Amino acid sequence: GEDVEQSLFLSVREGDSSVINCTYTDSSSTYLYWYKQEPGAGLQLLTYIFSNMDMKQDQRLTVLLNKKDKHLSLRIADTQTGDSAIYFCAESTGGFKTIFGAGTRLFVKA
Amino acid sequence: GAVVSQHPSWVICKSGTSVKIECRSLDFQATTMFWYRQFPKQSLMLMATSNEGSKATYEQGVEKDKFLINHASLTLSTLTVTSAHPEDSSFYICSAMVGTNYGYTFGSGTRLTVV
Repeated sequence: GEDVEQSLFLSVREGDSSVINCTYTDSSSTYLYWYKQEPGAGLQLLTYIFSNMDMKQDQRLTVLLNKKDKHLSLRIADTQTGDSAIYFCAESTGGFKTIFGAGTRLFVKA
Repeated sequence: GAVVSQHPSWVICKSGTSVKIECRSLDFQATTMFWYRQFPKQSLMLMATSNEGSKATYEQGVEKDKFLINHASLTLSTLTVTSAHPEDSSFYICSAMVGTNYGYTFGSGTRLTVV
């Protein structure tokens, strides 16, 4: 069935770049999302990419999509302590249903 | 791993009726659950945060009398859409916090169609 996988933890030093990786199985995915969840809060959409794109950049965020390998990554440049959160990868075929990964907890050390 | 079971996966109801959606945590206790709503080609919108044994916290713009949330036990949260109308047709998904360090797990979602 459809599945989205991502590693559970990532630790980086403040000022370094963070790269969070995600793999998915549904080749018909048309939208791929990155969400951020801070402690005690709900999901916040960070960015998304259409499946016909390879890359999308938005300020400190860079999303790379390798459709052949079904691999999605989120790079956060100049990571700050305020970036500490859980980051969810999700994929959708454009209708209602969205499949989420389990989330990657990012720790940023000062 | 931690699993959240959400039922029903889809439901069609008539205008004016109420629909209950259940979200159960299997093999773990969920003190906090989140309820989201999603329209086609849009991101999830957080509707409310459900805490076991206390009233849910609703996001701005979400009518708490229309979307009743009950979290009466550590393994069950329910969302009842009261007096449903066609504009309530949407995809509803719940998620549960798994402990304090194990992240979150999502239900499989419920597609509600009001006719």
